[in-house]
Amino acid sequence: GESVGLHLPTLSVQEGDNSIINCAYSNSASDYFIWYKQESGKGPQFIIDIRSNMDKRQGQRVTVLLNKTVKHLSLQIAATQPGDSAVYFCAENNFRGNDMRFGAGTRLTVKP
Amino acid sequence: NAGVTQTPKFQVLKTGQSMTLQCAQDMNHEYMSWYRQDPGMGLRLIHYSVGAGITDQGEVPNGYNVSRSTTEDFPLRLLSAAPSQTSVYFCASSYSTRPSPNEQFFGPGTRLTVL
Repeated sequence: GESVGLHLPTLSVQEGDNSIINCAYSNSASDYFIWYKQESGKGPQFIIDIRSNMDKRQGQRVTVLLNKTVKHLSLQIAATQPGDSAVYFCAENNFRGNDMRFGAGTRLTVKP
Repeated sequence: NAGVTQTPKFQVLKTGQSMTLQCAQDMNHEYMSWYRQDPGMGLRLIHYSVGAGITDQGEVPNGYNVSRSTTEDFPLRLLSAAPSQTSVYFCASSYSTRPSPNEQFFGPGTRLTVL
């Protein structure tokens, strides 16, 4: 989930297992949500997005679920690989303006 | 294409010094933005630009200036550096004038320390 303070939540999984990373968003008017992956020393990289008129979207090995009732977003990574180790964070956007807000992130560590 | 490039990669400043962080993109993107990333916090928008000659403030603009004289370049100026500006700075760009995250590209970041 999202963090408050200096330390990111961490998730440690075994290689080959599925990972679920959670995010609670704040603005009920947000209508577009994005998951990013950030590897150490690099800029964020887009993974998958979802609009508010959907509750599920699938990509390659990743699925995003959106629950607008409780303002919750999750990212599921299937068959997690060592290369998936990174910080993952969600972002919410309001198409009325340039108002993208980012969560702090969750650090995923994949054990071989 | 080089994508989004940022220089320098690392910088140490003393309190009160000024400097400019450079950002350039070669994708002919209209929208460019600057974020800062602090430990345990999400990216926060400093300034953004929807095209050459147009800039606007984001969430945390104080202490920073920007200009957009060309489509390619979007420099971020620290007028009088303060320890609170110690952070990692990311520049991003996207094709459309409203940020389309599936087209948004981030630079590698500039790690700034203000003593």
